[in-house]
Amino acid sequence: AQKVTQAQTEISVVEKEDVTLDCVYETRDTTYYLFWYKQPPSGELVFLIRRNSFDEQNEISGRYSWNFQKSTSSFNFTITASQVVDSAVYFCALSEVFFSGNTPLVFGKGTRLSVIA
Amino acid sequence: EAQVTQNPRYLITVTGKKLTVTCSQNMNHEYMSWYRQDPGLGLRQIYYSMNVEVTDKGDVPEGYKVSRKEKRNFPLILESPSPNQTSLYFCASSLTGHRYEQYFGPGTRLTVT
Repeated sequence: AQKVTQAQTEISVVEKEDVTLDCVYETRDTTYYLFWYKQPPSGELVFLIRRNSFDEQNEISGRYSWNFQKSTSSFNFTITASQVVDSAVYFCALSEVFFSGNTPLVFGKGTRLSVIA
Repeated sequence: EAQVTQNPRYLITVTGKKLTVTCSQNMNHEYMSWYRQDPGLGLRQIYYSMNVEVTDKGDVPEGYKVSRKEKRNFPLILESPSPNQTSLYFCASSLTGHRYEQYFGPGTRLTVT
């Protein structure tokens, strides 16, 4: 069965610190997709990144970077020089194709990041 | 602007009073889905639709119905709401299949008393 574990429930950092959010997943499939979403205090879910299981290249987008390691089934997310606006709940999610054709997102429980000025 | 819209955003209702939460996307996406978000339980899929007239149950379908008569719309129907359906609901859509990201609506906070 699919499973996504975000062991860090809450993290608090001071502005300008770097912070890494951990994500570990379980799947039997060789083809799958991993995602990160951000949920700010306003409540909406904002897509951040998608990564397929065949692409282990790390990705950087501005202050955000992602480290995907199949060997450890991890897809960690780092925010460099954090800002107050980064305060949110961050979700890691996994998607496979079911026999039915359904492709639900299986979410981790989320990590609440608080960035203090 | 490409988006998923949901209405209403907030709703307080009483047990047993039928309600519908609408969801519409303007991106010509084939796949649409409903999730509910609850403290401690995270986000769970209620129903999904792979295309017009094709819908099926997700992980927690009890007490809900859906329909997909048009590609852009995917309403969630609660025929007889109960307090355990108090939750934050999200509609999502994606182009097709699992390789594409799902875009979420703004959420509907439902309280059933």
